Amino acid sequence: GESVGLHLPTLSVQEGDNSIINCAYSNSASDYFIWYKQESGKGPQFIIDIRSNMDKRQGQRVTVLLNKTVKHLSLQIAATQPGDSAVYFCAEVNQAGTALIFGKGTTLSVSS
Amino acid sequence: GAGVSQSPSNKVTEKGKDVELRCDPISGHTALYWYRQSLGQGLEFLIYFQGNSAPDKSGLPSDRFSAERTGGSVSTLTIQRTQQEDSAVYLCASSPVGGTGGAKNIQYFGAGTRLSVL
Repeated sequence: GESVGLHLPTLSVQEGDNSIINCAYSNSASDYFIWYKQESGKGPQFIIDIRSNMDKRQGQRVTVLLNKTVKHLSLQIAATQPGDSAVYFCAEVNQAGTALIFGKGTTLSVSS
Repeated sequence: GAGVSQSPSNKVTEKGKDVELRCDPISGHTALYWYRQSLGQGLEFLIYFQGNSAPDKSGLPSDRFSAERTGGSVSTLTIQRTQQEDSAVYLCASSPVGGTGGAKNIQYFGAGTRLSVL
């Protein structure tokens, strides 16, 4: 079946450190992946996406890496800031191409 | 408005009552999605609308759940005879077009409606 999961439910880092959030997916046919950030009381906010024909994509302070061989996705946040504290979800598109399948999320806590 | 708007932000109801949740998508977005998020969980897909096409209802958990989208814009999610297990945050998202894999398909989410069934 289709499923997306994350390795760790929580991650605690110090301000200024680099953070790495991991995600494993099960559908080898998936061709599009997205990372979302959800702050308390808010809806998920798009961070970055990547297609399966890419291994890496960079944004502002964030990098997404895709390893199709082991079906693994990661989000790297450089110089983590307290404002980065949130729940991070990876998501893949369902087989019908009509919706996103979300993992359970990793809660990132950044301390000063 | 600039973003996806959902109302009400909070809804408390008694078991057995019907509820209606509203979603105003971003103007011009043709695709609209409903998701459900239980406490501490990821988002669970419920239903997808794309233009005038028949909606994808494959995620609706039971026949007590229904949704409609009038005029290709506003959508209403209706839950009949609510049960305690329906308590969750219901999130709506819209994208410029439906489908996958590009900037036009990125889903933008509202803040959600927190439903509590007593």
